Amino acid sequence: KAGVTQTPRYLIKTRGQQVTLSCSPISGHRSVSWYQQTPGQGLQFLFEYFSETQRNKGNFPGRFSGRQFSNSRSEMNVSTLELGDSALYLCASSLGGTGGFVNNEQFFGPGTRLTVL
Amino acid sequence: QKEVEQNSGPLSVPEGAIASLNCTYSDRGSQSFFWYRQYSGKSPELIMFIYSNGDKEDGRFTAQLNKASQYVSLLIRDSQPSDSATYLCAGTGFQKLVFGTGTRLLVSP
Repeated sequence: KAGVTQTPRYLIKTRGQQVTLSCSPISGHRSVSWYQQTPGQGLQFLFEYFSETQRNKGNFPGRFSGRQFSNSRSEMNVSTLELGDSALYLCASSLGGTGGFVNNEQFFGPGTRLTVL
Repeated sequence: QKEVEQNSGPLSVPEGAIASLNCTYSDRGSQSFFWYRQYSGKSPELIMFIYSNGDKEDGRFTAQLNKASQYVSLLIRDSQPSDSATYLCAGTGFQKLVFGTGTRLLVSP
């Protein structure tokens, strides 16, 4: 079974631009979560989608948004990029369902390394 | 107070020794806990998860959960240099995982 894929793997943008990242979950997984990882803050939760619905959102500004499609693929968008948005963006998929993450392992993609200049 | 706390390390152990990684959590509502391994420049890789009090073994790895004391641990037996990585502990929150900042493990030959 193929793993979680993310595109692009690397991205360089300048301040003020916007960016869209894509994530394809493991086949059969309906939940996709997004995380931001920086050396200082570790893994920070951005949001989680299940069946095209955002079920939870972390403490990030409204410049960070996402969506999920009917095939469970997900995109996240960051508008008006700031230098502090430079990070590794990870998506993770799980089976999801009403049990949430209890007993449902979450599997990470390789990440997108975003550099904002 | 962070919801999931880990000692950042590094924890240094010689090859063949047992490495003990610890994690404490503050949310008593957390039901399951996950251990991930992350090599430098790579994404986290799931090692195992535990949701019942007690021990759970998988090969060289043993996860331990004590809900009364709110701590989780990961033991790595017969540590190998290839085990050198950052180990992330995560607990379930509402529709999300809450991660600790990770413990860096160094296994010397």
